[in-house]
Amino acid sequence: NAGVTQTPKFQVLKTGQSMTLQCAQDMNHNSMYWYRQDPGMGLRLIYYSASEGTTDKGEVPNGYNVSRLNKREFSLRLESAAPSQTSVYFCASKSSGKKETQYFGPGTRLLVL
Amino acid sequence: DQQVKQNSPSLSVQEGRISILNCDYTNSMFDYFLWYKKYPAEGPTFLISISSIKDKNEDGRFTVFLNKSAKHLSLHIVPSQPGDSAVYFCAGSSGAGSYQLTFGKGTKLSVIP
Repeated sequence: NAGVTQTPKFQVLKTGQSMTLQCAQDMNHNSMYWYRQDPGMGLRLIYYSASEGTTDKGEVPNGYNVSRLNKREFSLRLESAAPSQTSVYFCASKSSGKKETQYFGPGTRLLVL
Repeated sequence: DQQVKQNSPSLSVQEGRISILNCDYTNSMFDYFLWYKKYPAEGPTFLISISSIKDKNEDGRFTVFLNKSAKHLSLHIVPSQPGDSAVYFCAGSSGAGSYQLTFGKGTKLSVIP
């Protein structure tokens, strides 16, 4: 099993450009999450999907949209990138239930110039 | 308002000694806590967790202690090994939002050989 995979690993964008970050998991997990990590900061939740067909805002959703394409895939879209969105983005997935842990992907490093 | 605080950005410990990483929280609704470990350029990996009905959980060299009255938890690593050098994140969960996690800013542990 690959676990949680993310593409691309690294991306450079110009201000105003759009892009989609892809995430897929092969663990048959119901819930999926998108976080961003900035220097000196913890991981902050952008959006999450409790189950296929549902999405909800997290702590820092502005400037982002998400799509839960199917049970395996959860994408994050930046419609008009801004320098403030320069960050490392992590996708995670989890089974249902409190004590199940979240499994994280390797991250996507995004630089917006 | 930071709901999870890790007040020590960094910690250096000699190999073989005990490492103690601290975490404070303010959200009384948190009933499950987790520690994640993160190496550079990788996603966080789950280390150990504790439910609020317990005050201690042990897994090999790792022990997490929870003091609910003080809203404080700590991670003990004994004995510390150079491979433990990483950033450690504390996280709390209340069950809301599909058990979304609220992370602290992390503590960078350096274990000196």
